[in-house]
Amino acid sequence: SQQGEEDPQALSIQEGENATMNCSYKTSINNLQWYRQNSGRGLVHLILIRSNEREKHSGRLRVTLDTSKKSSSLLITASRAADTASYFCATAGNTPLVFGKGTRLSVIA
Amino acid sequence: EPEVTQTPSHQVTQMGQEVILRCVPISNHLYFYWYRQILGQKVEFLVSFYNNEISEKSEIFDDQFSVERPDGSNFTLKIRSTKLEDSAMYFCASSEFHWVGYGYTFGSGTRLTVV
Repeated sequence: SQQGEEDPQALSIQEGENATMNCSYKTSINNLQWYRQNSGRGLVHLILIRSNEREKHSGRLRVTLDTSKKSSSLLITASRAADTASYFCATAGNTPLVFGKGTRLSVIA
Repeated sequence: EPEVTQTPSHQVTQMGQEVILRCVPISNHLYFYWYRQILGQKVEFLVSFYNNEISEKSEIFDDQFSVERPDGSNFTLKIRSTKLEDSAMYFCASSEFHWVGYGYTFGSGTRLTVV
């Protein structure tokens, strides 16, 4: 299975702090994607990083990918209460997206 | 911004009954997917659909499940005889291109409760 596994499972920070979530996977991939899910809602695509990329930015999001370690990280800078959600990594290779278990982020105002 | 629309948002059904979950993918998308998420657990792939046929399915997608694109816009998931363990959030997704290399657009989900 190429599934991603995030850590930590849960993360609680103060507003304004940075939040870092990690994802590890097992097999070779074409790209890795991060999604966000507000409680009881759908998944929102945040960012995609291809296997030949090492870092990507989108607004307050920074994603890194280390294919040698089969790991990725998602950094949310200057977090806001509205960033409170679950964050999932998903790997894309020879099969449709495979999701990890997610990190539940709580940003306290 | 284009959206994937799912109906109903909530469905309660008795064990053994058939349910149909409906999705309207983004109009110019060609690839369609169903995923499910049992409460508190990971998002699991069920099936992908392209060119009016199933392109891939998981072990979860057994004979009780079927998908259809009846009219060129709707994309439906049917569970023939629901079981208690089918209770989950079901997400439809679509993508413009093949799954490799592009993000999916997900709907808000249908919460299915089997009693």
